Amino acid sequence: NAGVTQTPKFRILKIGQSMTLQCTQDMNHNYMYWYRQDPGMGLKLIYYSVGAGITDKGEVPNGYNVSRSTTEDFPLRLELAAPSQTSVYFCASSYADWTANYGYTFGSGTRLTVV
Amino acid sequence: AQSVTQLGSHVSVSEGALVLLRCNYSSSVPPYLFWYVQYPNQGLQLLLKYTTGATLVKGINGFEAEFKKSETSFHRTKPSAHMSDAAEYFCAVRGNFGNEKLTFGTGTRLTIIP
Repeated sequence: NAGVTQTPKFRILKIGQSMTLQCTQDMNHNYMYWYRQDPGMGLKLIYYSVGAGITDKGEVPNGYNVSRSTTEDFPLRLELAAPSQTSVYFCASSYADWTANYGYTFGSGTRLTVV
Repeated sequence: AQSVTQLGSHVSVSEGALVLLRCNYSSSVPPYLFWYVQYPNQGLQLLLKYTTGATLVKGINGFEAEFKKSETSFHRTKPSAHMSDAAEYFCAVRGNFGNEKLTFGTGTRLTIIP
């Protein structure tokens, strides 16, 4: 039972390079989310998805893109890396849970440094 | 719109002392409230949640949190701190069905002094 799997765990990018952060969940969760965590700032929502083929912007979407072709996968794309994107990125998933009986399941994070 | 404010980015208590982590929320609808914990180099784990019903919710390891609508608060307490409680704690709020996105506070790093 893997839960939410993120790859890679660490990455160093040069300014202007691009990369994709991978996220896969095996719990058949409808909802998936990408957050970034910066010191003293908590977690900020980048993008989220309520199901395959449906994505929407969160609080800080600029510089990122996502796709959701399957229930399991929700990759995050950085097209032109900038130093401001240095952060720890977390993927999470959840049921479409109106009763809130379940919380989010988080991956272990990807630490990205842009130099 | 919804938001969460955690008072105190760093809290230090002695082992055996009372732990109080503060969380105040703002929400235009009845909120669902959560506490998550993060250990170094790990993702967040759910500890406590308030949805409806009893306003005092209990979690593992002796932590509990109380929802107070009049004070828009969801503070988390533990009577006696243990070294293993050292971590970063996040309070979060979300709306009802159709608005499951969580909004997190900025976190409180708890240090336990031996």
